[in-house]
Amino acid sequence: AQSVSQHNHHVILSEAASLELGCNYSYGGTVNLFWYVQYPGQHLQLLLKYFSGDPLVKGIKGFEAEFIKSKFSFNLRKPSVQWSDTAEYFCAVDLTGGGNKLTFGTGTQLKVEL
Amino acid sequence: EPEVTQTPSHQVTQMGQEVILRCVPISNHLYFYWYRQILGQKVEFLVSFYNNEISEKSEIFDDQFSVERPDGSNFTLKIRSTKLEDSAMYFCASRAWGEQYFGPGTRLTVT
Repeated sequence: AQSVSQHNHHVILSEAASLELGCNYSYGGTVNLFWYVQYPGQHLQLLLKYFSGDPLVKGIKGFEAEFIKSKFSFNLRKPSVQWSDTAEYFCAVDLTGGGNKLTFGTGTQLKVEL
Repeated sequence: EPEVTQTPSHQVTQMGQEVILRCVPISNHLYFYWYRQILGQKVEFLVSFYNNEISEKSEIFDDQFSVERPDGSNFTLKIRSTKLEDSAMYFCASRAWGEQYFGPGTRLTVT
């Protein structure tokens, strides 16, 4: 079955540390890839997306992600996290490539300590 | 910036009762979705809607669920007879240019 997996469920970092959150999907066809963030008490917000082209995509708030097709991965990175990055991060994949339903990973709860 | 809105933010209902969750998608969007997130679990797709009909639904979306776009602005999710396991956060989303925009969610608590 098609699925999306996020390897880290809880991550705790100190401010200024670098972040990398893993995301893998299992589907051999065309995909659109997304990272969403959910700050405490708020709704899902799009951080960045990949449809085609340059596999290194830049998003808001200094986040970036790299699509590696051969590894079926779309890892999220940020060189230096801030306390305000404390949130839950969701990888999502449009497995049909046609813009229909999103399949979400289980989410990674990131806590950034001062 | 336009955004998806949802009402109510929190709904408490008794088992067996009908609930209607309401969403106002972004005005020029044509594709609409409902997702849910049970506490501690992943966000799950329920249904997608386009051109006044369901385009895809998940196995969760059984006969107890229905969706409707009663007018040009609202998009509703109805649960006919709620069960305890329907307790979750329900998110509406609308889509343009391949990107889905999510509403703030309705927390449904079934007692």
